[in-house]
Amino acid sequence: DTEVTQTPKHLVMGMTNKKSLKCEQHMGHRAMYWYKQKAKKPPELMFVYSYEKLSINESVPSRFSPECPNSSLLNLHLHALQPEDSALYLCASSQVIAGGPQQETQYFGPGTRLLVL
Amino acid sequence: GQNIDQPTEMTATEGAIVQINCTYQTSGFNGLFWYQQHAGEAPTFLSYNVLDGLEEKGRFSSFLSRSKGYSYLLLKELQMKDSASYLCAVSIMNTGFQKLVFGTGTRLLVSP
Repeated sequence: DTEVTQTPKHLVMGMTNKKSLKCEQHMGHRAMYWYKQKAKKPPELMFVYSYEKLSINESVPSRFSPECPNSSLLNLHLHALQPEDSALYLCASSQVIAGGPQQETQYFGPGTRLLVL
Repeated sequence: GQNIDQPTEMTATEGAIVQINCTYQTSGFNGLFWYQQHAGEAPTFLSYNVLDGLEEKGRFSSFLSRSKGYSYLLLKELQMKDSASYLCAVSIMNTGFQKLVFGTGTRLLVSP
């Protein structure tokens, strides 16, 4: 089973709203990732968690706030977003963050399509 | 910086063979991954290469030459469902952590 689930599937929010994206995996993976993908562009890494600790923050604006409550869950809290933040937000997980390609292979969830008005 | 190049679009016919090339210039190379992404869906893992040579997985094969900074994905016996974007992603090791840097992707259209 290589399933990563994400909710909601679609989200529309205003610039003053606060919302959260959720990601879950039950593969026992200890590394989890958030990516942002604009139309016809490749995914861009935002955050990486390893053993529930934030390991990489790719200089993401503070209006995006990640949280890893436990080894199976990853949240992305959104506040005061801008219209240019509209994109597909992808969550991924891998066994570990560094341990050879087989263990580092990332499996992606279906994404949350976010529209900021 | 990191630079990964792929052709933007390719077309092929059902039943044919297509080769999608990827060239890269990166630091801290740790491996190369190929993903398939259908429109509006998540990327799906296809294969990875760490050492030079060919890795075969059913209808899909991937090749790597580290000295040339070059990889290709070979798709045989093309089917209509293979119409998708194919993303080349280089794994880069930086301060003990690996991260994937994706190329811009190649949109493959398979016609009858």
